[in-house]
Amino acid sequence: GESVGLHLPTLSVQEGDNSIINCAYSNSASDYFIWYKQESGKGPQFIIDIRSNMDKRQGQRVTVLLNKTVKHLSLQIAATQPGDSAVYFCAENAESSASKIIFGSGTRLSIRP
Amino acid sequence: DGGITQSPKYLFRKEGQNVTLSCEQNLNHDAMYWYRQDPGQGLRLIYYSQIVNDFQKGDIAEGYSVSREKKESFPLTVTSAQKNPTAFYLCASNGRRGNQPQHFGDGTRLSIL
Repeated sequence: GESVGLHLPTLSVQEGDNSIINCAYSNSASDYFIWYKQESGKGPQFIIDIRSNMDKRQGQRVTVLLNKTVKHLSLQIAATQPGDSAVYFCAENAESSASKIIFGSGTRLSIRP
Repeated sequence: DGGITQSPKYLFRKEGQNVTLSCEQNLNHDAMYWYRQDPGQGLRLIYYSQIVNDFQKGDIAEGYSVSREKKESFPLTVTSAQKNPTAFYLCASNGRRGNQPQHFGDGTRLSIL
């Protein structure tokens, strides 16, 4: 299997419960934030994004919350399913610049049956 | 379906050998990127290109080279100067205007023989 994701923090959640994954971002100038899902052996998959002029955005079963005061981002997954098992990481971008995208190291989400 | 295709999925390099990783996209995206992913770390930018025939170094460009002769293609060469090439390499693309999430390929895992 792939070694991506070794030594990552792990969140274990009962199937059907809600999951909350947190991310502390580093650059106060960041104005665009993205959550990705990465399954073993695959590339990251876009989940949801949010711009700094918003503090909440909802998608299908997912909600992203942004707290600029404490530079904190969270991803909430409702009614967690086995297929949600993956590594989740956030990314921040300042000034729409490709060279200023910063990726977090990720959190592994594990689903208990 | 539109997407990004990386090949090969697994690649082995001998000492002193250069190897080239392929990345092709049919999303009509202007910008393309190469990242390196190591266990427990966030993605690190190697090179990026925002338009054909132009590319810029990222944070860890030493030991790597790229070309962008066609909009659809952004191959990465890992040269013998890269002393620690074992990693998972990810290619991404997005539109050049404003904040847009990156679309990723499914990666190439490079190992040393």
